[in-house]
Amino acid sequence: EPEVTQTPSHQVTQMGQEVILRCVPISNHLYFYWYRQILGQKVEFLVSFYNNEISEKSEIFDDQFSVERPDGSNFTLKIRSTKLEDSAMYFCASNPGLDLGEQFFGPGTRLTVL
Amino acid sequence: QKEVEQNSGPLSVPEGAIASLNCTYSDRGSQSFFWYRQYSGKSPELIMSIYSNGDKEDGRFTAQLNKASQYVSLLIRDSQPSDSATYLCAVIAGNKLTFGTGTQLKVEL
Repeated sequence: EPEVTQTPSHQVTQMGQEVILRCVPISNHLYFYWYRQILGQKVEFLVSFYNNEISEKSEIFDDQFSVERPDGSNFTLKIRSTKLEDSAMYFCASNPGLDLGEQFFGPGTRLTVL
Repeated sequence: QKEVEQNSGPLSVPEGAIASLNCTYSDRGSQSFFWYRQYSGKSPELIMSIYSNGDKEDGRFTAQLNKASQYVSLLIRDSQPSDSATYLCAVIAGNKLTFGTGTQLKVEL
């Protein structure tokens, strides 16, 4: 069964460093998302991406964040200058474009900022 | 601010019992509602969607929606230890899912 994959599974970085989190959505899906979940807290929407552009973003998704779909398969989240409070689990999700609430989540990347 | 509220639990039920999970939402214009299951350390997984008032059944799961009361619930019949997880209620607005904090369910032997 097709699934969303994410790499790396765990990323440790120093405060101020740039990180790139990678995702391969399910083939033929049209909508792509990033969510984050700080330990013990709710899953929070960051950004949605459709037709090679951002379709919606949250207040969390400030100028330090960017997303890119550099080729036909990868979808990346870049954090330019990480802060301690960016430590969280980051989930990528994709959707085939039918019911936007039925999203398929990847296993997540745990980001630890020291 | 559109909110989704859930009791964080834990909700403990014995094996074989019915587990009842509840959720309220603030945006009266919300049309689509979802239940996701999240095992500890794992990602959310969709288990049910509901769009109309009333009940929707899928196997051991029944989702219930009351738009007038802005209330969504999930019933799990014949609860199994493998159902022990956090259940996330979510609503869709535009492109984004807004999640509640989740209710932790523990099914005890």
